[in-house]
Amino acid sequence: EAGVAQSPRYKIIEKRQSVAFWCNPISGHATLYWYQQILGQGPKLLIQFQNNGVVDDSQLPKDRFSAERLKGVDSTLKIQPAKLEDSAVYLCASSGWTGGIGELFFGEGSRLTVL
Amino acid sequence: AQSVTQLDSQVPVFEEAPVELRCNYSSSVSVYLFWYVQYPNQGLQLLLKYLSGSTLVKGINGFEAEFNKSQTSFHLRKPSVHISDTAEYFCAVTLGGSNYKLTFGKGTLLTVNP
Repeated sequence: EAGVAQSPRYKIIEKRQSVAFWCNPISGHATLYWYQQILGQGPKLLIQFQNNGVVDDSQLPKDRFSAERLKGVDSTLKIQPAKLEDSAVYLCASSGWTGGIGELFFGEGSRLTVL
Repeated sequence: AQSVTQLDSQVPVFEEAPVELRCNYSSSVSVYLFWYVQYPNQGLQLLLKYLSGSTLVKGINGFEAEFNKSQTSFHLRKPSVHISDTAEYFCAVTLGGSNYKLTFGKGTLLTVNP
């Protein structure tokens, strides 16, 4: 069974530039999450999708971050313009029929460095 | 709102020694509790979870955790660690419901030395 796929694994950009991350969840998983993990901190939920609808985006900085999950499968997280404090690992996770309550399956993450 | 506190940011131990990673939660209602592990340059993986029933739960790789409602704790233990257990461990909580939104602690870096 294929896991959660994310790309790119690493990205370095200048502040005020834009960046996009892509995630393909486990096949058949209805719920998709984007987490931000800053060095030394635990993952923080940015946005949660159920199929192609947003369930929770209360901690997404909407002035610069956007995310979409067209067709209820893969998803894209965009940052525009990036700030220095956006340097972090962006983790995508999915959940659904293959796991129990609270069991999220994570990708390896996309590490963003903003200079 | 729920929150999680991991009391130790780093725990160094020697191989074959026992280890305990501490986790306390804050919530006014019943919660579900989890431990996730993150090996270097990998995503998080579920280690074990407490939903209900027996307060002692067993997970993968010989880890176990005990839910203590009176002390609002969910400490992770292993009687004898291996070098391969070196990783970051995250405690997480959710109130349940249809969203099952997980709130993570800041993590504890377990380093097992030979």
